Amino acid sequence: NAGVTQTPKFQVLKTGQSMTLQCAQDMNHEYMSWYRQDPGMGLRLIHYSVGAGITDQGEVPNGYNVSRSTTEDFPLRLLSAAPSQTSVYFCASSYEEGAGTEAFFGQGTRLTVV
Amino acid sequence: KNQVEQSPQSLIILEGKNCTLQCNYTVSPFSNLRWYKQDTGRGPVSLTIMTFSENTKSNGRYTATLDADTKQSSLHITASQLSDSASYICVVSPRGGYNKLIFGAGTRLAVHP
Repeated sequence: NAGVTQTPKFQVLKTGQSMTLQCAQDMNHEYMSWYRQDPGMGLRLIHYSVGAGITDQGEVPNGYNVSRSTTEDFPLRLLSAAPSQTSVYFCASSYEEGAGTEAFFGQGTRLTVV
Repeated sequence: KNQVEQSPQSLIILEGKNCTLQCNYTVSPFSNLRWYKQDTGRGPVSLTIMTFSENTKSNGRYTATLDADTKQSSLHITASQLSDSASYICVVSPRGGYNKLIFGAGTRLAVHP
């Protein structure tokens, strides 16, 4: 029962570098999303996808890109890392996009940008 | 603006004691309210999901209550255990549109022996 798998678990980047955070789920869920968690704040939605080939922006999308070529994978790309992107990133999936369906979260990626 | 406020920010209790965590929200229209448990270094895990028509939902020693009229929810933990030490996050889902969850900042609970 892998559920939602995120890699890497930890990452340090220099300002201006790019990288991709990986997220994979094995539950055949249509809905996937990316959140960031900062101290003292609730999780905030970055981008989400309601199915392969369909993505949309969330609350804080600037500086991030996503794509959804398969149902299983939903990578998050940082184009040019900035210190303000230091955060813990969580990927989540759910069976569908309707309210009330349970969301399953990955274990998170702790990113530090220096 | 849709908001979810939780109190207290942090709480320390002794093992075996009960505690209650509070959640106030301004999300409207409202579809459902969830409580998640987040262990240090891990992702949130769902404890309960309640629709606007439900008043209470239990999951073992965890009992969530909801008052949709006053826009308040609480999570009661009975006979606390050391493994209950975690952050507890209240999450509200607006009605309609995509499943865009609105997260509270959480209450950090420490259970001491």
